Amino acid sequence: AQSVTQPDIHITVSEGASLELRCNYSYGATPYLFWYVQSPGQGLQLLLKYFSGDTLVQGIKGFEAEFKRSQSSFNLRKPSVHWSDAAEYFCAVGVNNAGNMLTFGGGTRLMVKP
Amino acid sequence: KAGVTQTPRYLIKTRGQQVTLSCSPISGHRSVSWYQQTPGQGLQFLFEYFSETQRNKGNFPGRFSGRQFSNSRSEMNVSTLELGDSALYLCASSLSGDQPQHFGDGTRLSIL
Repeated sequence: AQSVTQPDIHITVSEGASLELRCNYSYGATPYLFWYVQSPGQGLQLLLKYFSGDTLVQGIKGFEAEFKRSQSSFNLRKPSVHWSDAAEYFCAVGVNNAGNMLTFGGGTRLMVKP
Repeated sequence: KAGVTQTPRYLIKTRGQQVTLSCSPISGHRSVSWYQQTPGQGLQFLFEYFSETQRNKGNFPGRFSGRQFSNSRSEMNVSTLELGDSALYLCASSLSGDQPQHFGDGTRLSIL
């Protein structure tokens, strides 16, 4: 069975600083990979996805993520964080040909200092 | 285009009762999945329906069930509620199995 690890439970960055959120997955083949963001009291919003092809994926709100097969990682990055980026971020893995059954990491809560 | 709509947004029940939650997917989406989110267990997959058939099921007891209607709307039911069922229940829809899922804002269920 697949699994996802987000090693950082909390991260605090200053506004304008760069950001990298880590995600490691365990799965025997190439999975589908996703990053979602959740603001308090809200559902999950899709930031970006990787299915195949170019390993550097661009998403919404200036986010990008890079799939590294050798490291089983899919880290999320943003060059300059805005105060509105404060939220919880979830990495998720899906399996080819298995319908929609996502396995989520535990999440990373991002706080932004002014 | 309207997003995924979940009703109700909030629900309070007592132990032993049963509850039904509703989800209307994005128009044209045929896959509907349900997830449970709790502080202790995080986000866990409950089940997925596609064209009125359950296609995948997570590791939850039989008290948790669901169904999908011909218009792709879905309901999930939890019977004999327990305190541990208190959670945010999220519904997600997608066009098919290889398309990303779009989530609703969830139903927050509190068990007293």
